[in-house]
Amino acid sequence: DTAVSQTPKYLVTQMGNDKSIKCEQNLGHDTMYWYKQDSKKFLKIMFSYNNKELIINETVPNRFSPKSPDKAHLNLHINSLELGDSAVYFCASSQVSGGAGELFFGEGSRLTVL
Amino acid sequence: AQSVTQLDSQVPVFEEAPVELRCNYSSSVSVYLFWYVQYPNQGLQLLLKYLSGSTLVESINGFEAEFNKSQTSFHLRKPSVHISDTAEYFCAVSIIQGAQKLVFGQGTRLTINP
Repeated sequence: DTAVSQTPKYLVTQMGNDKSIKCEQNLGHDTMYWYKQDSKKFLKIMFSYNNKELIINETVPNRFSPKSPDKAHLNLHINSLELGDSAVYFCASSQVSGGAGELFFGEGSRLTVL
Repeated sequence: AQSVTQLDSQVPVFEEAPVELRCNYSSSVSVYLFWYVQYPNQGLQLLLKYLSGSTLVESINGFEAEFNKSQTSFHLRKPSVHISDTAEYFCAVSIIQGAQKLVFGQGTRLTINP
């Protein structure tokens, strides 16, 4: 059983389209995250949810909208895709929301915008 | 704000040789320190972390890292590497107070040659 699973694993789309990435964790964790890894492998946090509530929202364009229907799911919807959105998006979860917690990452969703 | 610098983007070594991956951080507040590993086409996994106490921390697969507060460093070492250690290694920090928000370094690609 995969602890943190993301779908789709690969996504190729045209500029201007809208797309979603889904994430589910079966670890019973309260906190979930979205991280973006760019072409230089640099990882940066985008959002964090704790028990369905948004607790971290970095300087991410409004075109990105996370949604957490329950604490086991955190989806990412992206409107009006741009070339610069091409990246690998990682979902992660942790048992605690504080700084000491271990993050469990999914395998990533590689988004390519043409 | 916090920042993490990994001084080497690539480190090639021969199998059974020792290796050190360097990490320096900058923060005006106290932080927790982490090393994560990313094997090809996988998500990140926690390798080891420093929260408090002994400045030398170890992983189950032979890696160790030492927290040096005066030099703001958290270098990762292994006395004898194996082919299976080939991966991307990320150093990260998180502030102690507040929500978990890992700030990652740029990553170091460790390549083990036979």
